[in-house]
Amino acid sequence: DAMVIQNPRYQVTQFGKPVTLSCSQTLNHNVMYWYQQKSSQAPKLLFHYYDKDFNNEADTPDNFQSRRPNTSFCFLDIRSPGLGDAAMYLCATSSRRGAYNEQFFGPGTRLTVL
Amino acid sequence: AQSVTQLGSHVSVSEGALVLLRCNYSSSVPPYLFWYVQYPNQGLQLLLKYTSAATLVKGINGFEAEFKKSETSFHLTKPSAHMSDAAEYFCAVRPVTGGGADGLTFGKGTHLIIQP
Repeated sequence: DAMVIQNPRYQVTQFGKPVTLSCSQTLNHNVMYWYQQKSSQAPKLLFHYYDKDFNNEADTPDNFQSRRPNTSFCFLDIRSPGLGDAAMYLCATSSRRGAYNEQFFGPGTRLTVL
Repeated sequence: AQSVTQLGSHVSVSEGALVLLRCNYSSSVPPYLFWYVQYPNQGLQLLLKYTSAATLVKGINGFEAEFKKSETSFHLTKPSAHMSDAAEYFCAVRPVTGGGADGLTFGKGTHLIIQP
């Protein structure tokens, strides 16, 4: 089945220690998104890629970076995690053909910062 | 800027009763509207979407939603609640312009509790 895969499902890191979260998709979609969802809050868009074009949300902290080496993979790098970065990180994909197209979400990676 | 408001952070209904989850959007141009469900420690799953083809939209698991432009609403309903419906529900909007690459703007979510 075509799907969005996120690894690892649970990630523990130390304050200030860089961490990378991974997302892969078998849907061959052009667009990939990263959302941050803090406890009991709505998902918040961090950035997205349309093919190789990177689009950063205005209020996304510089501490967050992303890489998309090919269509299938996208990575979220947190350079110096703080306690406030503990959250569920959701990856999603979408075909660009029509704004009505749904976004397909992965199961998320729950990040804990000690 | 568009936004979406979900009234009621928690909604509790009895099994077999009607489910009504409220969503209102704020946009000068009616956006595309979506309802997603999230089970604990899982990603989001699309329930249904409004894309201007029909005002009454039927989704999965017996859910449906009606778009009312005059009320700027897109409330989610289900005639008879089941225990398995207990989850977090998010209403989301997406601008009509932008070609589809724009992200979703989510409401704060409604936690649906089903009483046996």
